[in-house]
Amino acid sequence: GQQVMQIPQYQHVQEGEDFTTYCNSSTTLSNIQWYKQRPGGHPVFLIQLVKSGEVKKQKRLTFQFGEAKKNSSLHITATQTTDVGTYFCAGREGKLIFGQGTELSVKP
Amino acid sequence: GAVVSQHPSWVICKSGTSVKIECRSLDFQATTMFWYRQFPKQSLMLMATSNEGSKATYEQGVEKDKFLINHASLTLSTLTVTSAHPEDSSFYICSAHPYGDTEAFFGQGTRLTVV
Repeated sequence: GQQVMQIPQYQHVQEGEDFTTYCNSSTTLSNIQWYKQRPGGHPVFLIQLVKSGEVKKQKRLTFQFGEAKKNSSLHITATQTTDVGTYFCAGREGKLIFGQGTELSVKP
Repeated sequence: GAVVSQHPSWVICKSGTSVKIECRSLDFQATTMFWYRQFPKQSLMLMATSNEGSKATYEQGVEKDKFLINHASLTLSTLTVTSAHPEDSSFYICSAHPYGDTEAFFGQGTRLTVV
């Protein structure tokens, strides 16, 4: 079945440093979604990418969808303590298949 | 955005008892809802797809007789963990997609502890 792999599993950064998480699918995706889950909370939708090679920005967050629609990345510029949480990518093929998530911790 | 409400937020039960978790769509109708389980520091694993008025679709390896799903109305799906055991302790969370093939809205989740 479809698998969505995400790396790294953990990332510890100093406040102000950049952060990137990568997502790879075993199959071509119709779209990919990104979610953020704060500790103790539930996932909250960040963005959906649909087009091959698509790039979207939300303030300090940049999302990319690969040309082959099998990989994606989330890049955060100049992290802040409010960015702490686990970031999940999810491929949508009827149902959402989540990657393992990348837990981001930010040291003030 | 749409609101999905899940209840209870946490529950502690004795081994062998059953626990029911409710998932409600408050401002939209959901013909389909999804139930996930999440162990600490791990990803969300889809357990089953709940379909209003019909049987749920379970993922491979999920026991349908242990995790009973009922979706009797367009705004309510329930997950019952039957004869719970300590290994069933986990974070259970539901979701729905009110706007078609776009974002999922999640309930607050239910932390189940079986003692």
